[in-house]
Amino acid sequence: QPVLTHSSSASASLGSSVKFTCTLSSGHSRYIIGWHQQQPGKAPRYLMKVEHSGSYKRGSGVPDRFSGSSSGADRYLTISNLQSEDEADYYCETWDSHIWVFGGGTKLTVL
Amino acid sequence: QVQLQESGPGLVKPSETLSLTCTVSGGSITSTDYYWGWIRQPPGKGLEWIGNIYYYGATYYNPSLKSRVTISVDMSKNQFSLRLTSVTAADTAVYFCARMSGYAPTDYWGQGTLVTVSS
Repeated sequence: QPVLTHSSSASASLGSSVKFTCTLSSGHSRYIIGWHQQQPGKAPRYLMKVEHSGSYKRGSGVPDRFSGSSSGADRYLTISNLQSEDEADYYCETWDSHIWVFGGGTKLTVL
Repeated sequence: QVQLQESGPGLVKPSETLSLTCTVSGGSITSTDYYWGWIRQPPGKGLEWIGNIYYYGATYYNPSLKSRVTISVDMSKNQFSLRLTSVTAADTAVYFCARMSGYAPTDYWGQGTLVTVSS
């Protein structure tokens, strides 16, 4: 089954932008992924799906400060105009043949 | 708006069985578009998929947990349930139920319930 690898945790200032990467394992580069946000002490929240083509679709109520893109096996999450509430862990997810997998997550600290 | 709510004991003894139920509201568990799943998160760690069920009963499990997991559905109550046998301290985690799909990401999550395995 696919394996998802996150880029390193990041720190960024209020109002700035940050870009996270989720990399699909060899042989799975065309898979769709989902991004989820988990604020401290809360359940994950679905943010968006990102396709191999670079097309992305945000979930209901997700601000347009959140966007997605893609290059090869990499799927990106970009957060613009950072707000304090964006401080959270971010996870990517994919699935194959009735097996679902999550990446190990990456942490965003907003300064 | 679909909502999911987990319920069940917060403390389970080692070697016993963990049992949780997820109640779905705002949508039908018999929808042909979705699977209903369980995901857990040990304290300070990442998310681990446990398994899914389709409304008519087809189940899919994480191979690492398959021998101990059973997921079932009660369409009359719009609920699905998780049983995890022979628990150890390593099964201590927040357990989430979620709406999942075979062609799109998980889009709705329950609030989660902490289950501690301890004597």
